[in-house]
Amino acid sequence: GNSVTQMEGPVTLSEEAFLTINCTYTATGYPSLFWYVQYPGEGLQLLLKATKADDKGSNKGFEATYRKETTSFHLEKGSVQVSDSAVYFCALRDGSSNTGKLIFGQGTTLQVKP
Amino acid sequence: DTEVTQTPKHLVMGMTNKKSLKCEQHMGHRAMYWYKQKAKKPPELMFVYSYEKLSINESVPSRFSPECPNSSLLNLHLHALQPEDSALYLCASSQEMQGGQPQHFGDGTRLSIL
Repeated sequence: GNSVTQMEGPVTLSEEAFLTINCTYTATGYPSLFWYVQYPGEGLQLLLKATKADDKGSNKGFEATYRKETTSFHLEKGSVQVSDSAVYFCALRDGSSNTGKLIFGQGTTLQVKP
Repeated sequence: DTEVTQTPKHLVMGMTNKKSLKCEQHMGHRAMYWYKQKAKKPPELMFVYSYEKLSINESVPSRFSPECPNSSLLNLHLHALQPEDSALYLCASSQEMQGGQPQHFGDGTRLSIL
């Protein structure tokens, strides 16, 4: 079955540090991949997406590249800010599935200190 | 600003009360979802509506009753809930139930059962 594995958190960084959150997936079809962010007390916001191999999604300084050969979709940001503190979820949707379920990783908590 | 609107933002109810959660989207999406989320965990799918018909029920207890009055609205009726039902309830929508398009989430209703 389809699954998503994220690196365990929490991840604690100083402001302006480089961020990587690892995400790998298992899928039988051809999934679309997503990163969602959840700020404290809020719902999930779509951060970025990629729908096919070698696509790069980017938004708000965050980037992730769909790597089919390594089944990965790692999230990166060159210089984090305190306001980036949140929980980050990697997720996939298998376009060939008749349910289109969104499969989430376990989430990674990021804390950025001034 | 989220394009999926949920009301109320907070709800406290006793175990014998009846209440409803509401969700609205005006993006022309034909699939709508209810999720339950516990703190720092990924959302768990409860129900999926596609073209206003219930397509998926993830074995949710009957004390939760979904309703889709039209293509823009989704309700979740609550009755005789248990303390373990306290959680954040998220509504989401996507263009279609199947396919690789992202799901868009509301900010959720934080439910507390006394």
